[in-house]
Amino acid sequence: EPEVTQTPSHQVTQMGQEVILRCVPISNHLYFYWYRQILGQKVEFLVSFYNNEISEKSEIFDDQFSVERPDGSNFTLKIRSTKLEDSAMYFCASSPGTSGRYQETQYFGPGTRLLVL
Amino acid sequence: GEDVEQSLFLSVREGDSSVINCTYTDSSSTYLYWYKQEPGAGLQLLTYIFSNMDMKQDQRLTVLLNKKDKHLSLRIADTQTGDSAIYFCAEFPPTNSNSGYALNFGKGTSLLVTP
Repeated sequence: EPEVTQTPSHQVTQMGQEVILRCVPISNHLYFYWYRQILGQKVEFLVSFYNNEISEKSEIFDDQFSVERPDGSNFTLKIRSTKLEDSAMYFCASSPGTSGRYQETQYFGPGTRLLVL
Repeated sequence: GEDVEQSLFLSVREGDSSVINCTYTDSSSTYLYWYKQEPGAGLQLLTYIFSNMDMKQDQRLTVLLNKKDKHLSLRIADTQTGDSAIYFCAEFPPTNSNSGYALNFGKGTSLLVTP
C-alpha cells in the first residue's frame, strides 16, 4: 500500500541553524501538508500546498518557515533559523485532491522528530 | 481554532470494550476522523465517518456520530494490548469555512490496555 515517507526520522540541531525536513508524498496525490506536534500537545496544522503554491497556512507558519516541491516527488519544509520552541515532531501528509473538496482523507508520514538545542 | 475535546486517559482490561469520546467544534464539519499513534510512531488513519452518517462499523471498530451534540465516539471491541496507543479525533472543516483543508485535532486519548 502506498505511504508517505519522511526523512530523517530524527534531527538534532543548534539554535539558529537551518533545517530541511523532507517528505515523499503518495505518488498520485495533489495536496500536501505539514503539521507539527510539540511533545504532549495536540497536532497543529502548519501549511497546505497545491499546484506549486501555498493554499493555506496557520499563524505558526511565519517567515522562518518555507515549503518547496523541488521535483516531482519530494516536498520539503525549511526552518531558516531554528528556535528552541521549534522542537517538535513534524508530520507530512498528502491527500488525493481528485474528488473535489470532499473525501480529502489525509495520509500521514511517520514524522521527523526535531530537537533544537 | 476552537478546541476539539477528548478525555486524556482511558484504561481497560484486555478483552473488554473501549469507548473513546470526542466533542468537536463545528456541526457542519464534513468528515470526522480517528487516527492512532503508537509510541514513537506517526499517525495511522484508523477510520472516518461522513457527517450524514450516524454509525460506521469496520471490524472491531464502531464509530458513532451525534451531530446535534457534536459528539463522536470510537468503540473498540475485544480490546487487545496492541491497541494501547494515543487516539486522536480530528474534524475536517465545512465547505464554508476559512480553514480550507486543515484538520483540527484533539489532544488525544491515551488508551492503556492491561492484561
